Amino acid sequence: GDSVTQMEGPVTLSEEAFLTINCTYTATGYPSLFWYVQYPGEGLQLLLKATKADDKGSNKGFEATYRKETTSFHLEKGSVQVSDSAVYFCALSSSNQFYFGTGTSLTVIP
Amino acid sequence: DAGVTQSPTHLIKTRGQQVTLRCSPKSGHDTVSWYQQALGQGPQFIFQYYEEEERQRGNFPDRFSGHQFPNYSSELNVNALLLGDSALYLCASSPGTRGYEQYFGPGTRLTVT
Repeated sequence: GDSVTQMEGPVTLSEEAFLTINCTYTATGYPSLFWYVQYPGEGLQLLLKATKADDKGSNKGFEATYRKETTSFHLEKGSVQVSDSAVYFCALSSSNQFYFGTGTSLTVIP
Repeated sequence: DAGVTQSPTHLIKTRGQQVTLRCSPKSGHDTVSWYQQALGQGPQFIFQYYEEEERQRGNFPDRFSGHQFPNYSSELNVNALLLGDSALYLCASSPGTRGYEQYFGPGTRLTVT
């Protein structure tokens, strides 16, 4: 069945460091791909999305490109801030079903 | 504009009991999805309701059932509770034409003792 595998955490980075969180997927059809973020004490929020191959989703300095050839949707940010500390979830939507990864906890230290 | 709201916030039940959780979608949204999130895990899709019908279902037993009302609000019912049903239950709403654009509520924390 469809599934998402994302890089295990926790991840700790210094402020202004480069961030990559890996995400790969398995899907039988043509899924849409997402990154959600959960800040401490808050609910899940959609961070960015891509609905077809080669699309690049971007928001708040974060980017991810839908790579069909490698079945990947890695999250990147060039310079992280303390306020980016959160749990990040990769997710897939196909045929009105949704699959989430297990989440990657990011802590950014000053 | 109120976002997705869920009630109650917390709930404690005993094994074998039944529970009902409630969700009101974001204004303008007609599709509601329910998820179970165990501690330290990602959300697992339970089912999705659209036009008062279950449109899609994840890998959950029939003990999990739902309903959507004409005003698009929704209920999740769980019968014969097990200890393993203890989790955060999340509701997400989306517009029917863009079902992938989900907005999540804060969740209901269910503890089964």
